[in-house]
Order: sequence, then C-alpha cells, then structure tokens
Amino acid sequence: DAKTTQPPSMDCAEGRAANLPCNHSTISGNEYVYWYRQIHSQGPQYIIHGLKNNETNEMASLIITEDRKSSTLILPHATLRDTAVYYCISSFIDTDKLIFGTGTRLQVFP
Amino acid sequence: DTAVSQTPKYLVTQMGNDKSIKCEQNLGHDTMYWYKQDSKKFLKIMFSYNNKELIINETVPNRFSPKSPDKAHLNLHINSLELGDSAVYFCASKAGVQRNTQYFGPGTRLTVL
Repeated sequence: DAKTTQPPSMDCAEGRAANLPCNHSTISGNEYVYWYRQIHSQGPQYIIHGLKNNETNEMASLIITEDRKSSTLILPHATLRDTAVYYCISSFIDTDKLIFGTGTRLQVFP
Repeated sequence: DTAVSQTPKYLVTQMGNDKSIKCEQNLGHDTMYWYKQDSKKFLKIMFSYNNKELIINETVPNRFSPKSPDKAHLNLHINSLELGDSAVYFCASKAGVQRNTQYFGPGTRLTVL
C-alpha cells in the first residue's frame, strides 16, 4: 500500500469549507484513496473513497488530481462536530488492511 | 441498534492477569478486525477474520488470541497482561471482499497496572 502524507494540523472557521490535502505520490493504478476520521475517544468513521473520479456523498467531497498523486477532502460547511483527526489511506480494493498514518488534526472554531 | 459493539468499554487490571474483550456486529459482515491504538494515537491492525477464519495476524505476541465463535463475533483474549498492553482496542467489520469500508466499534480502553 502506498504511503500517504498529510499536514499534522489545520484550523477552519465554523461554516466555512475545510479542505484537507493528502499526498500519495507512489500510489499504484488500482489503489483507492480512503478517508476516515476519528472524533475524540470514538472509533474511526468512514467518510469517502475514490479511485480516479471525484466523489461526493452526504458527508464530504473527494477531489483526486488527474495524476492521482494527491487528493483533497472537502467538508463544505464545517461544524464544531467535525473537529477530529482525519486519515487519508491508500488501499487496494480487495485488501483486508487499512494502514493508518498520523492524520491531520482538524480544529473547527466558532 | 448499534452496528459494532464492544464490551467492556473500560478495563483496568493488574499485570499478569488474563482478560477478554468481546465484539459483536449486527451488520451481517463477513470480515472482522481488531486494531490497537497506543498512547501516541497510532492505530495498528492486529488481526482480521473472514467467516471465522484468521486472515491477518500482524506479528502480534501469542499472548493475544482472537476467537470467532461465529461471523458476527470476534473476541480478543489476552494472557499474562503486560504494562505495554495498555491501549485502546477497536473492533471493526466490513462487508465482502471488494470494498475496504470498515465500521468501527466504540473502543475498549485497557489499563494494565
């Protein structure tokens, strides 16, 4: 599984869009990009995943660059409850492993 | 109607004791996992079971023995507990083999004194 790098921390004002970047320059063609988050003292929560195309669901949007070397998770209207550690993970679709890195600690402030 | 549940939520015990953590999922998933999150917040996979069969064992000491009585349950038994076993243990599950969307339980905080 390719290694991913993320900034250790970011701030975002409540109501604004939070854009969380992730670099995965060694990702292979059939590795997906997954995003999970962990709110304090809770289990990790799946957010979204994608391969090549941009994806959107009720929680977030995922923008993957054309060369697939980086991606951005977008929370369109951040709330205080979005304060969490966000993990970007590259993984083959049929693997049983998720390898968590150190993630980005997002602090949403009022 | 909790999807992935773990008991107990907190476990405080003495070094050398044997303890178990239970996990149940009501999602009908085939694959279940145990992860360990240490004090530095690194989250690492320990075991994976698919339909009661061990798939992944990430060089975890053999004091840790997962047991899957059926595909909805994956329990973790730990013998001869050590100080370094103190951590939060998360159970997770996923459906099928073509997706890596995992659903995590609330965690069990184990403290070894």
